[in-house]
Amino acid sequence: GAGVSQSPSNKVTEKGKDVELRCDPISGHTALYWYRQSLGQGLEFLIYFQGNSAPDKSGLPSDRFSAERTGGSVSTLTIQRTQQEDSAVYLCASSFVAGVTYEQYFGPGTRLTVT
Amino acid sequence: KNEVEQSPQNLTAQEGEFITINCSYSVGISALHWLQQHPGGGIVSLFMLSSGKKKHGRLIATINIQEKHSSLHITASHPRDSAVYICAVMAFGNEKLTFGTGTRLTIIP
Repeated sequence: GAGVSQSPSNKVTEKGKDVELRCDPISGHTALYWYRQSLGQGLEFLIYFQGNSAPDKSGLPSDRFSAERTGGSVSTLTIQRTQQEDSAVYLCASSFVAGVTYEQYFGPGTRLTVT
Repeated sequence: KNEVEQSPQNLTAQEGEFITINCSYSVGISALHWLQQHPGGGIVSLFMLSSGKKKHGRLIATINIQEKHSSLHITASHPRDSAVYICAVMAFGNEKLTFGTGTRLTIIP
């Protein structure tokens, strides 16, 4: 079956512009996660959604970052007024339910380059 | 100090060797994940465990909750095992993962 998909796969933008990154989770998965992997750095958590509950935004690095999930499925991560330090691979993952016993399935990521 | 520490950071071995990658963490956890990331590729979940040991093919993962330590073993290593292996933990009462910095494994034919 279809896995987690993300678009675009690559995005180059100028400093100061806004960008939107999209994630399509596996059908039926109620939990959706956004992570970031900066060059030479490890993965870091950004935000996660579980069903209709309020999202956990504790990993968002600044108020320039926001995310929404429409209809409990597709999610969009928006970065406003992009900065060079935002350059990274943004990864989305989904799981059947958020929690201990459910595996997370990762998308291929969006490579964002801010020039 | 990071909550999740992996060692070694880099590992090069000959094909056929037995590989061990270690992960130590400092918080109480409900689960630990081992992930694999190939160059230019996506991330694949290898194991999710909260106690004991799991085996899948040539891969074995163990965890010692009391010692806050996990190991990933690869038997009869092969060049296609070359990848970055990442340990991630889910702390108690928290649904998000905290990641180690990864171990870059290179298997030479």
